Amino acid sequence: GDSVTQMEGPVTLSEEAFLTINCTYTATGYPSLFWYVQYPGEGLQLLLKATKADDKGSNKGFEATYRKETTSFHLEKGSVQVSDSAVYFCALSDQRGSYIPTFGRGTSLIVHP
Amino acid sequence: DVKVTQSSRYLVKRTGEKVFLECVQDMDHENMFWYRQDPGLGLRLIYFSYDVKMKEKGDIPEGYSVSREKKERFSLILESASTNQTSMYLCASSLTENYGYTFGSGTRLTVV
Repeated sequence: GDSVTQMEGPVTLSEEAFLTINCTYTATGYPSLFWYVQYPGEGLQLLLKATKADDKGSNKGFEATYRKETTSFHLEKGSVQVSDSAVYFCALSDQRGSYIPTFGRGTSLIVHP
Repeated sequence: DVKVTQSSRYLVKRTGEKVFLECVQDMDHENMFWYRQDPGLGLRLIYFSYDVKMKEKGDIPEGYSVSREKKERFSLILESASTNQTSMYLCASSLTENYGYTFGSGTRLTVV
């Protein structure tokens, strides 16, 4: 079945550092890929998505590129802020008809001033 | 923007009580979902629904039931609350599998 593997956290960075959170996936079909962010005490928010190979999703300075050859969708940001501290979830939805996305376990990001 | 509204942010219930968690979305989405989120376990799907009066079990349906009488509302019912159902409960809705989910703010339920 489908699966998503994220790097374990917490990831701890200083403000203005470069961020990478790794995500790899396995899927039988042609999935759409997503990153969600969860701030403390809140639900998840869709951060960005990509629906086909080589697409780049971007939002709020974050970006991720759908790499079919390496089955990856790594999240990056050039300069993190304290306000980016949150838990980030990678997810996929298989376009072959399942309504149910598969989520990674989440990666906690802590940004220090 | 689509909004998913969960009726309570925090809830404290006693063991054995019947508990209703309500979720309403305002954008005609076909698909609605209930998850629970626990530290170290990630998101686990309890039930989902892809149409009015339709429901499907997720990964952990035991001890729960759901109701979807109207398209915009999806209710999660804990038939007899137990302490191991203390958790954060997240409702979500989606237009299609490519669209992404919109989540509610969550209900933190404590069963004492």
